[in-house]
Amino acid sequence: DVKVTQSSRYLVKRTGEKVFLECVQDMDHENMFWYRQDPGLGLRLIYFSYDVKMKEKGDIPEGYSVSREKKERFSLILESASTNQTSMYLCASTSGGAPTEAFFGQGTRLTVV
Amino acid sequence: EDQVTQSPEALRLQEGESSSLNCSYTVSGLRGLFWYRQDPGKGPEFLFTLYSAGEEKEKERLKATLTKKESFLHITAPKPEDSATYLCAARSNQFYFGTGTSLTVIP
Repeated sequence: DVKVTQSSRYLVKRTGEKVFLECVQDMDHENMFWYRQDPGLGLRLIYFSYDVKMKEKGDIPEGYSVSREKKERFSLILESASTNQTSMYLCASTSGGAPTEAFFGQGTRLTVV
Repeated sequence: EDQVTQSPEALRLQEGESSSLNCSYTVSGLRGLFWYRQDPGKGPEFLFTLYSAGEEKEKERLKATLTKKESFLHITAPKPEDSATYLCAARSNQFYFGTGTSLTVIP
């Protein structure tokens, strides 16, 4: 059974803290994505990666960075958390080449206070 | 501009009352159309992939269809456990997601 695992289901952080969200997939997928999901706005792409050590900005990269040191792991970093980054964060992966579906993790509900 | 629009935003059905959810897309170079189910507080769960107009996929009470401009998710005789948000996504070089239809099935 394919799996995308996010390190935390729920996180509460203080304004100004540096926050790390980890995502691991066991499907040997080339492509990995980070989205945030907010009511009425749907899923918005923050960053994605097509290969190890490669990263591309999505639609809303401001305030975020990413790291992909290994193929199976894609980390999202909030450099200095702010209250407007309170959201549901979703990691996804998909194979390269053929346009197959994306598989999602269970999500991390981040609250910044 | 590439985009995906889903309608209605919310739908309430009586158990057994069949209906359809709509996903309209304007995406250049469409490479696939995907449907997901999302339960509250969880990540989206993959349901179907459609690649070409006229294609249909079925799973239990759900059937997805695709035309050149839209996709439909037909729900036949829904049960309360079908209550969820249904998302569609169109893929070219990246995924474009709709904002979803929140379905509530009342016993």
